[in-house]
Amino acid sequence: AQKVTQAQTEISVVEKEDVTLDCVYETRDTTYYLFWYKQPPSGELVFLIRRNSFDEQNEISGRYSWNFQKSTSSFNFTITASQVVDSAVYFCALILMEYGNKLVFGAGTILRVKS
Amino acid sequence: AAGVIQSPRHLIKEKRETATLKCYPIPRHDTVYWYQQGPGQDPQFLISFYEKMQSDKGSIPDRFSAQQFSDYHSELNMSSLELGDSALYFCASSPRTGVVANYGYTFGSGTRLTVV
Repeated sequence: AQKVTQAQTEISVVEKEDVTLDCVYETRDTTYYLFWYKQPPSGELVFLIRRNSFDEQNEISGRYSWNFQKSTSSFNFTITASQVVDSAVYFCALILMEYGNKLVFGAGTILRVKS
Repeated sequence: AAGVIQSPRHLIKEKRETATLKCYPIPRHDTVYWYQQGPGQDPQFLISFYEKMQSDKGSIPDRFSAQQFSDYHSELNMSSLELGDSALYFCASSPRTGVVANYGYTFGSGTRLTVV
């Protein structure tokens, strides 16, 4: 099976707290790509990051950081010093390169940041 | 930079009516993907086209059809609409080669269809 699991349905934090969103994936491909998208209340899907299976280097972009571990099939996303504007649904997704590059999404995690 | 354009942004239809959603890909992108996102759900793949030919099909109802035209834009046609078709419909585009390594995967802003 090829799937993405986001076990956290909803997370609530207070502004300035750090928060980590978990993502676990399953794939039989040796080459694959993982994505994170943000979906704010307005509904659009905002691309955050793409990571390939050969690059296990962690990435930091401002307050965002990603931890990719092939050994545990996880691609977790951390927001440092959260802000109210971070409130959104966050999706982790896996690209199925053997199936025309379609994306399989996790169920999403609702993040609520309170002031 | 040009993005994926979807129209209309919002659409309200009655049951049993027909709806047509349009997607204009990023210039020089030859592949288009359609996704459906129901309320509180994750996006689900419907169908994709490469060079105007259907390349893959997901859980798309028989009442839905889609095509890609010579200018690479795509249209999703939905007939005999049902209440359960109310959803956000996203389109994404990519070039066929080097799609992930070089270009990622960019979505349009979506069309919100409400069936009443």
